[in-house]
Amino acid sequence: DAGVIQSPRHEVTEMGQEVTLRCKPISGHDYLFWYRQTMMRGLELLIYFNNNVPIDDSGMPEDRFSAKMPNASFSTLKIQPSEPRDSAVYFCASSSSSRQYFGPGTRLLVL
Amino acid sequence: DAKTTQPTSMDCAEGRAANLPCNHSTISGNEYVYWYRQIHSQGPQYIIHGLKNNETNEMASLIITEDRKSSTLILPHATLRDTAVYYCIVRVASGGTSYGKLTFGQGTILTVHP
Repeated sequence: DAGVIQSPRHEVTEMGQEVTLRCKPISGHDYLFWYRQTMMRGLELLIYFNNNVPIDDSGMPEDRFSAKMPNASFSTLKIQPSEPRDSAVYFCASSSSSRQYFGPGTRLLVL
Repeated sequence: DAKTTQPTSMDCAEGRAANLPCNHSTISGNEYVYWYRQIHSQGPQYIIHGLKNNETNEMASLIITEDRKSSTLILPHATLRDTAVYYCIVRVASGGTSYGKLTFGQGTILTVHP
């Protein structure tokens, strides 16, 4: 198995632009998680899905952030419009049990 | 989920055992202790978890005190590649909306030196 796949691995954009991060979970996993990591705040859970349904989005910072999971093999995290404070590493993780498998992350820089 | 307390940093000599402590004095009966680590620039990696019995796998051992208020992760023969941030997390065993959530603290920065 290729593990959790995230794209792009690096993204540089200008303030105000829309950013879309993508995640392909491990096949057969029914949970998918989006995390954000910054030096100031550490690793934070943004939202997670179970069987493609959002279960808890209490970590989503504001309305500029949205996440979707149209099917079991794909999820997106969208930021519109992006701001410099959104600069961070965004991780996607999936699980079918109590153990989560993390992707390599997307490093986002908003100028 | 219960809060955990870990030392900010620890050092270990290569080849020696690394013992990483974690306090979780408010842990509930249905909460497990999980350990993850994050090597620089990579995503977190699962290490081990347990409820009340000691656990061992190919990566590490987990020792949980009888009252479950603290635990120790043991890397029996640390290598340079074990240098990472180690996170101790307490999480509900099953059910409810908090089942899937992992709440990461600041963790312990373990540095293994030659």
